[in-house]
Amino acid sequence: DTGVSQDPRHKITKRGQNVTFRCDPISEHNRLYWYRQTLGQGPEFLTYFQNEAQLEKSRLLSDRFSAERPKGSFSTLEIQRTEQGDSAMYLCASSPGVAGAIETQYFGPGTRLLVL
Amino acid sequence: DQQVKQNSPSLSVQEGRISILNCDYTNSMFDYFLWYKKYPAEGPTFLISISSIKDKNEDGRFTVFLNKSAKHLSLHIVPSQPGDSAVYFCAASVGGSNYKLTFGKGTLLTVNP
Repeated sequence: DTGVSQDPRHKITKRGQNVTFRCDPISEHNRLYWYRQTLGQGPEFLTYFQNEAQLEKSRLLSDRFSAERPKGSFSTLEIQRTEQGDSAMYLCASSPGVAGAIETQYFGPGTRLLVL
Repeated sequence: DQQVKQNSPSLSVQEGRISILNCDYTNSMFDYFLWYKKYPAEGPTFLISISSIKDKNEDGRFTVFLNKSAKHLSLHIVPSQPGDSAVYFCAASVGGSNYKLTFGKGTLLTVNP
């Protein structure tokens, strides 16, 4: 399977703990995106990378959130001092990243986080 | 503010009939629109898209119509199949780079055998 993969698929943690999620994009896709989806809502944009550069961050991404894509391949999303309001599905997507092209984003299966 | 609106939380149709899912948007800068399908416990799967320079795009059983003056788009599925039962999300983006998708809340489609 050469689609977007995410790990873990599920995470249960206690409030105050740190969690880290990983996303592996489709091979050779230069752009990588993180979204968050809460119950009854559509996915909401968090941040995106062009290769290793993080080019935009949503105001939803508080100081407790940090995302990296160190070598322009996989990405990690870390949440520090988790709160119950962080409980959501965290989705990763990727696209080829051709300059000026209108692109389709392809999503992974998501990581479902539950903060107790 | 909800820039992309899917006002019908759910829709139920009979197998073989047409399913029409609707989406309205408020941001006139949106110029690329997509529909995604989502099954429980899975990520959204891309279905079909349309650029603002077109008013219709067709792919097999799926057709998306765009009415820019009304800021409205719709997804037609003909004929509907039970396997089409899922949540459908409308999404939109601004500019050619379309790096940020804005999604609606989704419509749950149920196709009854």
